[in-house]
Amino acid sequence: AQSVSQHNHHVILSEAASLELGCNYSYGGTVNLFWYVQYPGQHLQLLLKYFSGDPLVKGIKGFEAEFIKSKFSFNLRKPSVQWSDTAEYFCAVKSGGAQKLVFGQGTRLTINP
Amino acid sequence: EAQVTQNPRYLITVTGKKLTVTCSQNMNHEYMSWYRQDPGLGLRQIYYSMNVEVTDKGDVPEGYKVSRKEKRNFPLILESPSPNQTSLYFCASSFGDRPEKLFFGSGTQLSVL
Repeated sequence: AQSVSQHNHHVILSEAASLELGCNYSYGGTVNLFWYVQYPGQHLQLLLKYFSGDPLVKGIKGFEAEFIKSKFSFNLRKPSVQWSDTAEYFCAVKSGGAQKLVFGQGTRLTINP
Repeated sequence: EAQVTQNPRYLITVTGKKLTVTCSQNMNHEYMSWYRQDPGLGLRQIYYSMNVEVTDKGDVPEGYKVSRKEKRNFPLILESPSPNQTSLYFCASSFGDRPEKLFFGSGTQLSVL
């Protein structure tokens, strides 16, 4: 069955530090990949997505992610984090033709000012 | 304002007492879905609906029912709640099955004692 793994459960950084959150998936066919963010007390919002083309995709608020097909990975990055990036981040995968979006376990990011 | 409205926001109940969590969207979306969010497990899909009178099971449908009699409403019904259904529930909707366009509700925190 299709699965998504986020290896970092809780990441704590200081402001201005660089961020990389890991995401690996198990499906071998065509995939659509997503990162969602959930700020404290709020609902999920789309951060960025990958469907095809350039494997380096840019999203909102300075986030980017790189799709590496050979590694089945879609890691999220940000060069310099801010206190306002404190949130929970979810990676999600939708395989081609499937009607189901599969989420990873989530990574809680805490940014200390 | 485009939105997905869930009610109630918080609910505490006892084992076996039937309850309904309502979900309503004002965007004329065909696709609606219910997720539960649990620590360390991320979001898991309970049920989804591609259109009126069309519903299907997600990954964790046991103990839940849904109905889609009208396009705007997609209630989640727990006929006999149990403590393992204590969770944070999210409703979401979109035009077609398009994760990048999903609108999420604000969530319902359910505690079953």
